[in-house]
Amino acid sequence: EAQVTQNPRYLITVTGKKLTVTCSQNMNHEYMSWYRQDPGLGLRQIYYSMNVEVTDKGDVPEGYKVSRKEKRNFPLILESPSPNQTSLYFCASSLLGQGVYSNQPQHFGDGTRLSIL
Amino acid sequence: AQKVTQAQTEISVVEKEDVTLDCVYETRDTTYYLFWYKQPPSGELVFLIRRNSFDEQNEISGRYSWNFQKSTSSFNFTITASQVVDSAVYFCALSNDYKLSFGAGTTVTVRA
Repeated sequence: EAQVTQNPRYLITVTGKKLTVTCSQNMNHEYMSWYRQDPGLGLRQIYYSMNVEVTDKGDVPEGYKVSRKEKRNFPLILESPSPNQTSLYFCASSLLGQGVYSNQPQHFGDGTRLSIL
Repeated sequence: AQKVTQAQTEISVVEKEDVTLDCVYETRDTTYYLFWYKQPPSGELVFLIRRNSFDEQNEISGRYSWNFQKSTSSFNFTITASQVVDSAVYFCALSNDYKLSFGAGTTVTVRA
């Protein structure tokens, strides 16, 4: 089954304790991205990657790191989490496409709810 | 910078009523892509439609229809004869160069 898998689904942790949220896709997609969802703000893009070893900042990258060492995996790293990073996080992937077929619809994971105390 | 505005925060209707969700976008790019996603109460995000800036044809898919008007920078979404299963948060999104900007979402509640 084609899917984007995020782990963990839920996490409660404390300020300053490094954490990693994993994201894996089995569709051989070149493009992967991370978003956070906050009430009244919709989803905001944190980082995205167009291929292995290629990553770019989205709208809200501060306090986050990512890596793309393999095509299928795109972990989100919070080196020193703070309470303002409490949010619902989504990973997504898509094919790249070209020309009018670029910017393809994204497949989303089920989300990771992070609470940082 | 690109921006998507969904001015309606919440809409509540009775089953079988039609409901239209507004989406207004801002971008300086001439090539861009517009999307609608649905987030039901279970939380997953479901893709509904993608449009590129060169394709202004309206589209109908079952009870769903979309009206894209470049002149007013709008990409509105109508649910005809709404059903309880349509209750969800609906997001409009704009993409270019693979940066994706979402609106704040509109919560639709369909009452039986």
